[in-house]
Amino acid sequence: EAGVAQSPRYKIIEKRQSVAFWCNPISGHATLYWYQQILGQGPKLLIQFQNNGVVDDSQLPKDRFSAERLKGVDSTLKIQPAKLEDSAVYLCASSLPAYEQYFGPGTRLTVT
Amino acid sequence: GENVEQHPSTLSVQEGDSAVIKCTYSDSASNYFPWYKQELGKGPQLIIDIRSNVGEKKDQRIAVTLNKTAKHFSLHITETQPEDSAVYFCATLGNQGGKLIFGQGTELSVKP
Repeated sequence: EAGVAQSPRYKIIEKRQSVAFWCNPISGHATLYWYQQILGQGPKLLIQFQNNGVVDDSQLPKDRFSAERLKGVDSTLKIQPAKLEDSAVYLCASSLPAYEQYFGPGTRLTVT
Repeated sequence: GENVEQHPSTLSVQEGDSAVIKCTYSDSASNYFPWYKQELGKGPQLIIDIRSNVGEKKDQRIAVTLNKTAKHFSLHITETQPEDSAVYFCATLGNQGGKLIFGQGTELSVKP
């Protein structure tokens, strides 16, 4: 079966600009996650969706980050305005309700 | 808060030797413990997982052990091969449902 798809793979922007990332989960996976992975660290959860509802967004910097999953399938994560410290890899993962989370290849964001 | 400590941060072994990576966690409610392998430029790949009702699980050259009393779990790779070289992350399922808490990662280098 096809894995989690993400685009773009790489993005370079200047600080204060905006950027959006897209994720298509594994078919049939109701739960979708966005993680931020800073270089040299493990991924940290930003937001979790169950179908198109938010389950956990406690670590999402809501003054600049937003995410949506309108039809319970694809999701977009947006940053506006970006800061230097947002430079990281943004990983999307999906799962059935039985714990196993499968990750996409990630989007590497560089903010200059 | 929830925390996962992973050791060592780097590990270098000769091809054919064994490698062991250890993690300790703080949340006694954790009941799911996956291990991920991340190669350069790729997303984390689930390689093995264990649930709290099992003490040990093996899949070919990879095994994971869990000691819930001591709150630690370990990854064992036997007969290492150069293609095992990657960053390995342990994780636990946090007490908020699907939120994975990751360790800091171990960079494994297998020298031919």
